[in-house]
Amino acid sequence: AQKVTQAQTEISVVEKEDVTLDCVYETRDTTYYLFWYKQPPSGELVFLIRRNSFDEQNEISGRYSWNFQKSTSSFNFTITASQVVDSAVYFCALIFAGGTSYGKLTFGQGTILTVHP
Amino acid sequence: ETGVTQTPRHLVMGMTNKKSLKCEQHLGHNAMYWYKQSAKKPLELMFVYSLEERVENNSVPSRFSPECPNSSHLFLHLHTLQPEDSALYLCASSPQMGPYGYTFGSGTRLTVV
Repeated sequence: AQKVTQAQTEISVVEKEDVTLDCVYETRDTTYYLFWYKQPPSGELVFLIRRNSFDEQNEISGRYSWNFQKSTSSFNFTITASQVVDSAVYFCALIFAGGTSYGKLTFGQGTILTVHP
Repeated sequence: ETGVTQTPRHLVMGMTNKKSLKCEQHLGHNAMYWYKQSAKKPLELMFVYSLEERVENNSVPSRFSPECPNSSHLFLHLHTLQPEDSALYLCASSPQMGPYGYTFGSGTRLTVV
């Protein structure tokens, strides 16, 4: 079975602080893909990043960066110099590349991030 | 229109009503999904359609009935719902079933009274 855990239910920071959202996953498969999505108040989930299990290179995109560590089954997301517009619910998710869960996105519980001015 | 469009955005229905949620995508995707998002619960996958064929029914009660008449449209027919069915219902699509990111709609906020 696959499982994604986001232990932080809510995080509150002040603008310009850095913030890291944690994601831990469980899988017995060797080939899988990890995702992060952002859900602003409008409701739509916005795709942020996809990583496959063979690519452990960290990635940076502007103020966003992702740290994938296969040894600890973690895929953490850091926002540098947070802004009020970053306030949203952030979801980590997992897809297997095969088996009965093939192609089905499994989500963590989500982390509510609030950035105060 | 681009992306995934869901209508209506908000719906209030009585427990004896019958209503339908609509999802439309113009991305040329071949897989479509229904998710339920309740307060304090993870997003739950309800149904998966690939090339208009249902490939997953994730133990969803029969009061929810999906329909996929073509690869661009997906419906969720609702009848005799319960108050605990109140939630945000999200539709998504992907190029095909596989390790692809989904494109989501903005959801339908359903309230059952």
